[in-house]
Amino acid sequence: DVKVTQSSRYLVKRTGEKVFLECVQDMDHENMFWYRQDPGLGLRLIYFSYDVKMKEKGDIPEGYSVSREKKERFSLILESASTNQTSMYLCASSRGQATNEKLFFGSGTQLSVL
Amino acid sequence: AQSVTQLGSHVSVSEGALVLLRCNYSSSVPPYLFWYVQYPNQGLQLLLKYTTGATLVKGINGFEAEFKKSETSFHLTKPSAHMSDAAEYFCAVSEGQAGTALIFGKGTTLSVSS
Repeated sequence: DVKVTQSSRYLVKRTGEKVFLECVQDMDHENMFWYRQDPGLGLRLIYFSYDVKMKEKGDIPEGYSVSREKKERFSLILESASTNQTSMYLCASSRGQATNEKLFFGSGTQLSVL
Repeated sequence: AQSVTQLGSHVSVSEGALVLLRCNYSSSVPPYLFWYVQYPNQGLQLLLKYTTGATLVKGINGFEAEFKKSETSFHLTKPSAHMSDAAEYFCAVSEGQAGTALIFGKGTTLSVSS
C-alpha cells in the first residue's frame, strides 16, 4: 500500500521562526497536497502540486510557501510562524492528472506555535 | 468554484439505528464526490467515491451514498450503526480536471451509543 510519511508527528515552534514540514510518498504519485485541519473548520487546502516544480495555491495560501524539487517530496514552509498557524497539517498524494483518484494521507503533524 | 456543505457538525445514533450524514455540493461541472472517514488518532481514509455511472455507490464497512444531481446531494447512509463507526466523516468534491484539487466539507462527528 502507498505510504505517505510526514517527518514529525508533533512540533513546537516559536513565533517568527521559519518552519519546514516535510512529506514523502513512495508510490511515484504525480499529485501532492497540503491541508490544515482545525476543529469545526474541516480540512482546508493550502497548496498543491501536480508535477515536479509546479505548485498551485489553495484556499488559504497566505503565510505559507511550498517546494517540490523531487517527485516524491513536498515541503510546506511557514516563512515566519504565527500563533494562528497552530494546527494539524495533513499531507496527501494521489496518482494521475485528474482528481477522481483516491487521496492517500499521512498521519499528520500537530504544530504548536508559541 | 466548487464547495461542500455538511449539515450537522455532530450526529448521535444508537447502536443498530440508521446512520444518515448529509452532504450538499456546489459545482460548475459534473462533480466527483467522496466520503472520507477519520477514526480517533488516525489519518483519513476513503470510504467511497462517485465518479460516473451508477449513482448509488457502495463503500467499505457497509456504508453507501447516493448521488442526486437534482438535489445536489451525496448523503452517506448505513442501515445499522456499530460502535466502531464512531468517527469524523468528511464529504469532498472535485471537478476532476487536471490542476485542481479536492475540496472538503467541515466534517460531521458521528457518535454511537449502546
